[in-house]
Amino acid sequence: GENVEQHPSTLSVQEGDSAVIKCTYSDSASNYFPWYKQELGKRPQLIIDIRSNVGEKKDQRIAVTLNKTAKHFSLHITETQPEDSAVYFCAASKVKAAGNKLTFGGGTRVLVKP
Amino acid sequence: GAVVSQHPSRVICKSGTSVKIECRSLDFQATTMFWYRQFPKQSLMLMATSNEGSKATYEQGVEKDKFLINHASLTLSTLTVTSAHPEDSSFYICSAPHGPRTSGGAHFNEQFFGPGTRLTVL
Repeated sequence: GENVEQHPSTLSVQEGDSAVIKCTYSDSASNYFPWYKQELGKRPQLIIDIRSNVGEKKDQRIAVTLNKTAKHFSLHITETQPEDSAVYFCAASKVKAAGNKLTFGGGTRVLVKP
Repeated sequence: GAVVSQHPSRVICKSGTSVKIECRSLDFQATTMFWYRQFPKQSLMLMATSNEGSKATYEQGVEKDKFLINHASLTLSTLTVTSAHPEDSSFYICSAPHGPRTSGGAHFNEQFFGPGTRLTVL
C-alpha cells in the first residue's frame, strides 16, 4: 500500500519568515495530494491540494509543488503569521469516482513565533 | 454545503462497555465514508472504509469484530467500539467524499471531515 513520509516533524519559524514542509510517497499511481491544517482537538481542514498533472499550485501565501519523478511534494507558507501555528498533514491518494482513500504523512507541528 | 457531523463529540466509558459513534453527512449523500483514528500527537490512521449497503472494508491490523461499522443509509455511518479498553482511547474522525470539484483540469471528490469524537476508556 501507499506510504507517505513527512519532514520535519516540528518546525519553528519567526513571524514573517517562510515555512517549508516536505513529503514523499511510495505509490507511483497516487495522483492526488492534499494538505490539511489541524488545530488541537479539531477536524483537519483542507488548505490546498494538487493533482499529478500539475507541477505547482499557489493560493495567496500558500503554495504546493509536486515532483512526480522523485515522488515528493512540498508545502510552502510565506510571510508566516501566528495563526499559521498548527499541525499540518500531507496526504496522498488515487482518485476514484466514489471518493479517495487518503494516506496521511506523520504531520508537522508548526510554531510561528511573534 | 458539504458538512459532516459526528456524535457524540466526547464520550467516557468504563472498560468492557461498547460505544457507538455516528457520522452524518448533513447536506449531501455519501455512499462511502471513511473512519480514522488519531492518537495524541500522531497522524490520522485509516481504520476502514464504510460502504452503504455492503460490508465495510477494513485496513490491515484493524479488528473488524471489535470495530463494527454500519452504513445503513446514504447519510449515516456508525462505528461501534465493542468491549472498549483503555488502549482504544483515541480521537475518532470520519470523512465523506463530496463533489465533484475541479483541480488541475480533472474532476474528483473532496474529503470532508467530521469534527471528531474523543473516546476515553477508563
